[in-house]
Amino acid sequence: DAMVIQNPRYQVTQFGKPVTLSCSQTLNHNVMYWYQQKSSQAPKLLFHYYDKDFNNEADTPDNFQSRRPNTSFCFLDIRSPGLGDAAMYLCATSGHLRDRLDHEQFFGPGTRLTVL
Amino acid sequence: DQQVKQNSPSLSVQEGRISILNCDYTNSMFDYFLWYKKYPAEGPTFLISISSIKDKNEDGRFTVFLNKSAKHLSLHIVPSQPGDSAVYFCAASVYGGSQGNLIFGKGTKLSVKP
Repeated sequence: DAMVIQNPRYQVTQFGKPVTLSCSQTLNHNVMYWYQQKSSQAPKLLFHYYDKDFNNEADTPDNFQSRRPNTSFCFLDIRSPGLGDAAMYLCATSGHLRDRLDHEQFFGPGTRLTVL
Repeated sequence: DQQVKQNSPSLSVQEGRISILNCDYTNSMFDYFLWYKKYPAEGPTFLISISSIKDKNEDGRFTVFLNKSAKHLSLHIVPSQPGDSAVYFCAASVYGGSQGNLIFGKGTKLSVKP
């Protein structure tokens, strides 16, 4: 089955220690997104890649970076995690429906990040 | 400031009855709306969508209604089943806009009691 996979599902890191979350997709979608979701809050878009083009949201802290080495993989790097970065991180993808971008996004199961 | 609002954090419904989940938005540029369903420990899954050229879209037990003048949409589930118990997110975007960025509401937790 085509899907979006996130590893690990649970990640524990220490305050200030860099951490990388990974996402892979078998849907061959052009666009990959990273969202941050804190408890009882809406998922908040951090950034997305359209193919190799990186699009950062204006209010995403510099502490958050991303890499997309190929169509299938996308990484979220948190350079110096703070306690406030503890959250669920969701990866999503979307492709094209006919000649227009399909706004339906397919989500992975998420990685829950704990910062000690 | 929240552009997509789901003002009810939770909703409890008896099995077989109708569930109505509500969503309001403030940005008049939004012209495409989606509902996602999320079970614990899983990512959100797409449920149903509607574009602003329509006022209703139906898919089996799920119907979404859009009232553009009121900037309001609702999701109706009839009949509700215990398996429908989940968190439901409303999301909005500008179709053809910036690579399909979705703005989500905070979600409504639906509990369907047997």
